[in-house]
Amino acid sequence: AQTVTQSQPEMSVQEAETVTLSCTYDTSESDYYLFWYKQPPSRQMILVIRQEAYKQQNATENRFSVNFQKAAKSFSLKISDSQLGDAAMYFCAYRSGGADGLTFGKGTHLIIQP
Amino acid sequence: DAGVTQSPTHLIKTRGQHVTLRCSPISGHKSVSWYQQVLGQGPQFIFQYYEKEERGRGNFPDRFSARQFPNYSSELNVNALLLGDSALYLCASSLAGSNQPQHFGDGTRLSIL
Repeated sequence: AQTVTQSQPEMSVQEAETVTLSCTYDTSESDYYLFWYKQPPSRQMILVIRQEAYKQQNATENRFSVNFQKAAKSFSLKISDSQLGDAAMYFCAYRSGGADGLTFGKGTHLIIQP
Repeated sequence: DAGVTQSPTHLIKTRGQHVTLRCSPISGHKSVSWYQQVLGQGPQFIFQYYEKEERGRGNFPDRFSARQFPNYSSELNVNALLLGDSALYLCASSLAGSNQPQHFGDGTRLSIL
């Protein structure tokens, strides 16, 4: 079974600075997809960014980018120019190419200090 | 366009009762998945339905069941409720294909007394 590990229960960053959230995963599959989701206190899970395992190029979405290290099974999220609205729980998630459900990590609580 | 809608928003039940949670996917999405999120944890996968058939199941007891209707909406049923079933239940919909992102609803907060 696949597992997703987020080793940082909580991270704090000053507004406008850069922060990196860590995620590692364990799988024996070669075809899979990785996602970062954001869950603010309003509780709706919002997709931040996704990465296909077969793509070597790291995904980027505006201020959000990932560092995907396939051999190391690492998938970190970098948030540049942090904004107050970025404060939320961030979950790393894995999905098999066989199209089963998502496997989530335990999450990282991101605090943005003004 | 409307997002994924779930009802009810909150629900309080007692041990031993059963509950039905409902989900309407984004228009055009034929795949619906259900997740359980216990406080302080990441969501755990319960079921995936596509074209009205179960396509995936997580490690949950038989007390949990679901179905998908011809209009692609879905119901999650839980029988013989236990205190440990208290959680946020999330529904997600997506287009076909494992590369397609899942879009989540606001969830149903279920409390068991």
